Amino acid sequence: GENVEQHPSTLSVQEGDSAVIKCTYSDSASNYFPWYKQELGKGPQLIIDIRSNVGEKKDQRIAVTLNKTAKHFSLHITETQPEDSAVYFCAASAGANNLFFGTGTRLTVIP
Amino acid sequence: DTAVSQTPKYLVTQMGNDKSIKCEQNLGHDTMYWYKQDSKKFLKIMFSYNNKELIINETVPNRFSPKSPDKAHLNLHINSLELGDSAVYFCASSQDVVAGELFFGEGSRLTVL
Repeated sequence: GENVEQHPSTLSVQEGDSAVIKCTYSDSASNYFPWYKQELGKGPQLIIDIRSNVGEKKDQRIAVTLNKTAKHFSLHITETQPEDSAVYFCAASAGANNLFFGTGTRLTVIP
Repeated sequence: DTAVSQTPKYLVTQMGNDKSIKCEQNLGHDTMYWYKQDSKKFLKIMFSYNNKELIINETVPNRFSPKSPDKAHLNLHINSLELGDSAVYFCASSQDVVAGELFFGEGSRLTVL
């Protein structure tokens, strides 16, 4: 089955700086790569996703890049704000909605 | 209006007991899921139902039995609870089985003593 690795496990940045979280996957058949944000006491919430026919996608301060050859994808958050503090999960899926999640990154934005 | 709601939010019980967690979605989605999140925050799929039919059943002990009375509900029943079952259980739904956004509930924290 799919194996998704995520780094770093914790990340602290100053407010206004950028944050980058990286994931690798093992199954070359995976073609859908979402990122979820989980705030304390809440369920994960989709923030951005990318499919394998696209190399990069941007939504305001959030961007995701995908390198299919190297089997890795990254989340970039620019101009971080305290409300960006949360646990972020990458995930991968090979078509059906059976998502394999990474181990999570706890992001802390220091005001 | 809560899109995916699950009850109870907290559940504390003794080893060996049987318990259930209920989930309902009002999004009109066809597919529902149960995920388990352990103490290290690792999220792993347990089951997936599409239109009341089981489509994904990961390697979960058969003490766990999902039931979908209709496509808006997916309940999880756990028999003979063990210490290792302590976790947060998330229900989720999606439009269909094709890869796309999952909508998660707020989780049910199960503590087995």
